[in-house]
Amino acid sequence: DTEVTQTPKHLVMGMTNKKSLKCEQHMGHRAMYWYKQKAKKPPELMFVYSYEKLSINESVPSRFSPECPNSSLLNLHLHALQPEDSALYLCASSQGQWSGYEQYFGPGTRLTVT
Amino acid sequence: QQQVKQSPQSLIVQKGGISIINCAYENTAFDYFPWYQQFPGKGPALLIAIRPDVSEKKEGRFTISFNKSAKQFSLHIMDSQPGDSATYFCAASKGGATNKLIFGTGTLLAVQP
Repeated sequence: DTEVTQTPKHLVMGMTNKKSLKCEQHMGHRAMYWYKQKAKKPPELMFVYSYEKLSINESVPSRFSPECPNSSLLNLHLHALQPEDSALYLCASSQGQWSGYEQYFGPGTRLTVT
Repeated sequence: QQQVKQSPQSLIVQKGGISIINCAYENTAFDYFPWYQQFPGKGPALLIAIRPDVSEKKEGRFTISFNKSAKQFSLHIMDSQPGDSATYFCAASKGGATNKLIFGTGTLLAVQP
């Protein structure tokens, strides 16, 4: 089973709202990732967690706050977003953080900021 | 040096034909090259991947050809089907403990019946 699940599928939020995206995997993977994908563009890496610790932050604005409560769960907390943050947010996981470990993506959360 | 250049941007192929998508890179530290398939509204799905010590890898109708000296790799889809119509991304990652994928810009493939 190579399934990564994400909730919600769609989210509409105002610029003053606080919301959270959730990601879950039960493959025993120890690395989890958040990506942002704009229409007709490739995914862009935002954060990497390895063994539940934040290992990479790609200079993401602080209005995005990741959290890894345990090895199976990854959250992305959103606060005071801008309309340009509207995108597909993808979660991925891999067995480890070493190059070559296959990354499996979830279906994404389509976020619209109004 | 961190870029992966992908071509063509879009591709139309007749059913049963061969689809070919090309990627090129500069950074010789890249040591893992996956291809992803993405349908509209879905997350990317890993199709096939290759390491630089192998010149070709085949899985079903999908083949990666890898040319280390030219720093190029390509995806061949044999007997293309309408169900293959999707966006394809090549990617690369650098050796070591940072499994950061550098994606190409994507190719929108349309297979006509």
